[in-house]
Amino acid sequence: NAGVTQTPKFRVLKTGQSMTLLCAQDMNHEYMYWYRQDPGMGLRLIHYSVGEGTTAKGEVPDGYNVSRLKKQNFLLGLESAAPSQTSVYFCASSYLSPKQETQYFGPGTRLLVL
Amino acid sequence: DAKTTQPPSMDCAEGRAANLPCNHSTISGNEYVYWYRQIHSQGPQYIIHGLKNNETNEMASLIITEDRKSSTLILPHATLRDTAVYYCIVEAGGTSYGKLTFGQGTILTVHP
Repeated sequence: NAGVTQTPKFRVLKTGQSMTLLCAQDMNHEYMYWYRQDPGMGLRLIHYSVGEGTTAKGEVPDGYNVSRLKKQNFLLGLESAAPSQTSVYFCASSYLSPKQETQYFGPGTRLLVL
Repeated sequence: DAKTTQPPSMDCAEGRAANLPCNHSTISGNEYVYWYRQIHSQGPQYIIHGLKNNETNEMASLIITEDRKSSTLILPHATLRDTAVYYCIVEAGGTSYGKLTFGQGTILTVHP
């Protein structure tokens, strides 16, 4: 199993450009998440999904949109990139479980907005 | 307010046990203690979690005090590859989604 994969690994954008980050998981997980991590800080939840066709806002959703058209994929979109969105983006997935929150993370996408 | 308090950094000699403390004095009865780590530039990795009892798996042991106000993650024989940021997270199980709140964590440096 590949686990959680993210595409692309690195990207440079100019202010105002748009892009989509792709997250894919092959573990048949119900839940998927997008986090961002800024230098010296912990991860902050942007959006999440509890199943195919569903999405919800996390802690820092402004400036981002997401879609979960297929169970194995979770897309994060930036419609008009801003320098404040320069960060490392991590995707994660987990089982639907009432007793534990074991999340499996991807390798990250490094985004630089100039 | 942060749910957990961890020392910002710790050192450990290779081959020795690394004991990472975490205070969570306001933990509720339905909240679990989770430990994740993040090796430089990689995504976080789940280590272990527990509710009341001590737990052990192939990676580590988790010791939770009887009053559940603090816990210790133990890496029994630390290696250089264990150098990472370790996050102690307290979250309720059975929530509608898997919410994990990452704080600053503890930077563990394992020396040769």
